[in-house]
Amino acid sequence: DTGVSQNPRHKITKRGQNVTFRCDPISEHNRLYWYRQTLGQGPEFLTYFQNEAQLEKSRLLSDRFSAERPKGSFSTLEIQRTEQGDSAMYLCASSLASGISYEQYFGPGTRLTVT
Amino acid sequence: GENVEQHPSTLSVQEGDSAVIKCTYSDSASNYFPWYKQELGKRPQLIIDIRSNVGEKKDQRIAVTLNKTAKHFSLHITETQPEDSAVYFCAANGNQFYFGTGTSLTVIP
Repeated sequence: DTGVSQNPRHKITKRGQNVTFRCDPISEHNRLYWYRQTLGQGPEFLTYFQNEAQLEKSRLLSDRFSAERPKGSFSTLEIQRTEQGDSAMYLCASSLASGISYEQYFGPGTRLTVT
Repeated sequence: GENVEQHPSTLSVQEGDSAVIKCTYSDSASNYFPWYKQELGKRPQLIIDIRSNVGEKKDQRIAVTLNKTAKHFSLHITETQPEDSAVYFCAANGNQFYFGTGTSLTVIP
């Protein structure tokens, strides 16, 4: 499968625990995005990278969230001290930035449940 | 920042009829407008997109129109089929993507 992959697919954690998700983008894609999606809503932008540089981060993102893309390939999203409100689907997408538009391709997501 | 509004939130059509979903955006700097289809429990799938230098684009039964002056764009699905039933999201791209809240389309056989 040459598409975007994410691991784990499901994560159940207790409130207060830390969790880390991984995203592997399409190999030639230089942009990588993280989104959060709750039931009945569209994907909400969290952050994105161009190569290894984190270029933008949502103002809605609390300090408990951090993302890295150390070698410009895979990325990790960590949530510290999880809260019940963090329960959502976390989606990763990648694109090849060229010209003025960027077709994004999504991974299958990681569904987080905080109990 | 950008604000994308999408209407209607739910839409039911008879098989074979057309479906139209509309979105408005606020940031005149947005220059790329994709549409995604998301089936229950699956990832969003890009179905069509349009760039700001084009007014209309068509791909078989799916078309998208863009009115930059009015800052709105629409998805048109003709000859709908039951497999078109899904949630559809519009998005607008400036520096980052902003998504609409989705339209749940049901095609009744």
